[in-house]
Amino acid sequence: EVQLVESGGALVQPGGSLRLSCAGSGFTFSDYSMNWVRQAPGKGLEWVAFISSRSASISYADSVKGRFTTSRDNANSLLFLQMDSLGDEDTAMYYCSRGTSMAPFTSMLYWGRGTPVTVSA
Amino acid sequence: IVLTQSPDTLYLSPGEGATLSCRASQAVTASYVAWYQQKPGRAPRLLVFGASTRATGTPERFSGSGSGRDFTFSISRLEPEDFAVYYCHQYGGSPFTFGQGTRLEMK
Repeated sequence: EVQLVESGGALVQPGGSLRLSCAGSGFTFSDYSMNWVRQAPGKGLEWVAFISSRSASISYADSVKGRFTTSRDNANSLLFLQMDSLGDEDTAMYYCSRGTSMAPFTSMLYWGRGTPVTVSA
Repeated sequence: IVLTQSPDTLYLSPGEGATLSCRASQAVTASYVAWYQQKPGRAPRLLVFGASTRATGTPERFSGSGSGRDFTFSISRLEPEDFAVYYCHQYGGSPFTFGQGTRLEMK
């Protein structure tokens, strides 16, 4: 069974940093691209970042570019999101998701339950 | 690519059909459009990808169509569990984007 489990969400002060993790299991992690998607309270879905299966291709939403960095450790089936210079607008539930297929650009078939990030003084 | 969904909210009764629209600000590469369902407190669930291919386990009452800039998601006969928020998503080119969502409410 495919599982994605996010961790690392917390209450952090404006300007602070946080590192989220996503542990994958039940599939060959290194075969699939991964995404981070967030959802602010009461709002819609916002795509945050994409990383291809071997990290050759990485991209970010304009709203986080230069502040967030995604990476992966295929040996340990882990995905990371390093978030720096956090602001109120980054408060959200953060989901990791796995691509539907092994194609580079693909929809998101599997999702974790999310980890909450709150940026507040 | 900006995705604009319409309507924002749709009020229908069980047994009725629903049609949701998603318009892109420019043509989406290879119809790489997906539709997701989200219920309160839950992660999104993929229903349709590639504009019209149902994901594994998606009931046949759900269908998608469209190409270029205009995409449609339909539910042929609403079941009580279908009342939720639906999002379109384009993954044809970075930055990937989601529509703002259509809320399907019970009348």
